[in-house]
Amino acid sequence: DAKTTQPPSMDCAEGRAANLPCNHSTISGNEYVYWYRQIHSQGPQYIIHGLKNNETNEMASLIITEDRKSSTLILPHATLRDTAVYYCIVWDYGQNFVFGPGTRLSVLP
Amino acid sequence: DTGVSQDPRHKITKRGQNVTFRCDPISEHNRLYWYRQTLGQGPEFLTYFQNEAQLEKSRLLSDRFSAERPKGSFSTLEIQRTEQGDSAMYLCASSFIQGAGELFFGEGSRLTVL
Repeated sequence: DAKTTQPPSMDCAEGRAANLPCNHSTISGNEYVYWYRQIHSQGPQYIIHGLKNNETNEMASLIITEDRKSSTLILPHATLRDTAVYYCIVWDYGQNFVFGPGTRLSVLP
Repeated sequence: DTGVSQDPRHKITKRGQNVTFRCDPISEHNRLYWYRQTLGQGPEFLTYFQNEAQLEKSRLLSDRFSAERPKGSFSTLEIQRTEQGDSAMYLCASSFIQGAGELFFGEGSRLTVL
């Protein structure tokens, strides 16, 4: 079973920041937080991951709370091409990736 | 194209027939994963290989399913005596051991069992 909880769907206006929350209250000290997204009819795509510190790359930013029980993926300027299902996953070496149902993000013009 | 490739992209078969899917991972990757995805659900883990060794199998992988990765390169997933419930997208992914959290997925093979 997935160790994360995400809202089933969210809307965001084009050009605005999309903030996707994820709860992982049972995360253990060695587990990373990973985010993937899946655009319709394609395989999932890696976005970003983190352990304790906030992370940023060319696609997104990841904010992890100090207690690590939740995180937020931020797409700073959402475009229509960011419409996808976003998956938050906690993972450690030796585990396999368990995908939950994710959050369906709709970016609206 | 140096990404993960899967073949065929689409397969329609009659119940009871056998089907085989092939996955060619990124060449330097030593881990290879198979997932199954049905409409509206996230991908479900089936099995994974490290080089040629199959290290873990999900309980979803019934006796009718078999996966191989000879020589640690490409992999095949065979489904025998297909059932309508096998209709799904079968996704393959690969990764380095060192960067094992970053999976690179193929486009998937969509199976429809009539």
